[in-house]
Amino acid sequence: DAKTTQPPSMDCAEGRAANLPCNHSTISGNEYVYWYRQIHSQGPQYIIHGLKNNETNEMASLIITEDRKSSTLILPHATLRDTAVYYCIALAGQGGKLIFGQGTELSVKP
Amino acid sequence: DADVTQTPRNRITKTGKRIMLECSQTKGHDRMYWYRQDPGLGLRLIYYSFDVKDINKGEISDGYSVSRQAQAKFSLSLESAIPNQTALYFCATSDPPGQINNEQFFGPGTRLTVL
Repeated sequence: DAKTTQPPSMDCAEGRAANLPCNHSTISGNEYVYWYRQIHSQGPQYIIHGLKNNETNEMASLIITEDRKSSTLILPHATLRDTAVYYCIALAGQGGKLIFGQGTELSVKP
Repeated sequence: DADVTQTPRNRITKTGKRIMLECSQTKGHDRMYWYRQDPGLGLRLIYYSFDVKDINKGEISDGYSVSRQAQAKFSLSLESAIPNQTALYFCATSDPPGQINNEQFFGPGTRLTVL
């Protein structure tokens, strides 16, 4: 199972783009990169996932490097409600068993 | 109404007591999971079930047991609670892989304190 590495914390100004990096240098070819976030001890919430192509949805964009060793989650216009812990996860095999690291605590400031 | 519900939401108990945490889902998903979260840490998988007749141990199953009573219900039991089982517990559901999105849907959590 690929291990992911994220910075423990980041700050972002409200209205600006938040770029959250993730390293997953040991990711295997069939492992997807998933992003979840957890707001203040609530249940984690799915954001986006991808395999090798860049992905975009209504919440965020996911940029995966060509060698798949790292990725960046982009929140294009961060709001105060985006303050949360963001988890980057390499999906473990076919079992759907999410392996959470410690994530990045994003603070969006006015 | 919430798709994934957990009861109770908060529980305080004493060392040695048997505790059951319950999870119900209306999403029609086959797969269900139990996680625990300690302060400042990410979630860790306790048990998971891919269908009614399937139970699998996760990363930290010692001291816990589970029961999958129906597709919609998955219960976690602490046979003899101990203080280091004080944590926030989450239930989650998902569709099997092969679906377009293998997203997991989480319940609101149960905060358990063992004195």
